[in-house]
Amino acid sequence: DQQVKQNSPSLSVQEGRISILNCDYTNSMFDYFLWYKKYPAEGPTFLISISSIKDKNEDGRFTVFLNKSAKHLSLHIVPSQPGDSAVYFCAAIKNAGKSTFGDGTTLTVKP
Amino acid sequence: NAGVTQTPKFQVLKTGQSMTLQCAQDMNHEYMSWYRQDPGMGLRLIHYSVGAGITDQGEVPNGYNVSRSTTEDFPLRLLSAAPSQTSVYFCASSALFGSRANYGYTFGSGTRLTVV
Repeated sequence: DQQVKQNSPSLSVQEGRISILNCDYTNSMFDYFLWYKKYPAEGPTFLISISSIKDKNEDGRFTVFLNKSAKHLSLHIVPSQPGDSAVYFCAAIKNAGKSTFGDGTTLTVKP
Repeated sequence: NAGVTQTPKFQVLKTGQSMTLQCAQDMNHEYMSWYRQDPGMGLRLIHYSVGAGITDQGEVPNGYNVSRSTTEDFPLRLLSAAPSQTSVYFCASSALFGSRANYGYTFGSGTRLTVV
């Protein structure tokens, strides 16, 4: 039973436009939700997190929204840049430190 | 530079061989973990530790052992390698408490393991 799902394997957007990456979860006991970016042949890089008691967190071009009633979170990137092209993973934490990851969404930002 | 260091970066093993993947961090993080990533899939948790002397199993622990004798090191041992263990392995660490704790992991650059 996959507790964290990213239903879109890929997303393509034009440079300067908004990228919206989505993630659904099934376990209402998760405490934190996180987004990571991964380039080929590198480890994932932490982007942004949100506590389960918040509904929005913003850091520069990146904003994460949490809709607890729908068990859904999204990452908005505005404006999108070609260097944002990567695989994006969402993750959720239930017990201290232990994260469950989605399968990832490959974002391509076209110049 | 501070971070998570994994060695080796690449390894080819024969079926039945054993080996240890090394992971070290210099950020005094309480939490360390090992993940594997197979093609087209997310990261699956193998084992994790919330501090020296404490380890626990993750989602896919079979065929792997870990120990945490120091805060800095968290080696992953493959007991008898099988082709199903061909994967990319990532070690990660994070702070659990205090102002450093945003729960985001710092990942190593990965070990690409092939078992033939």
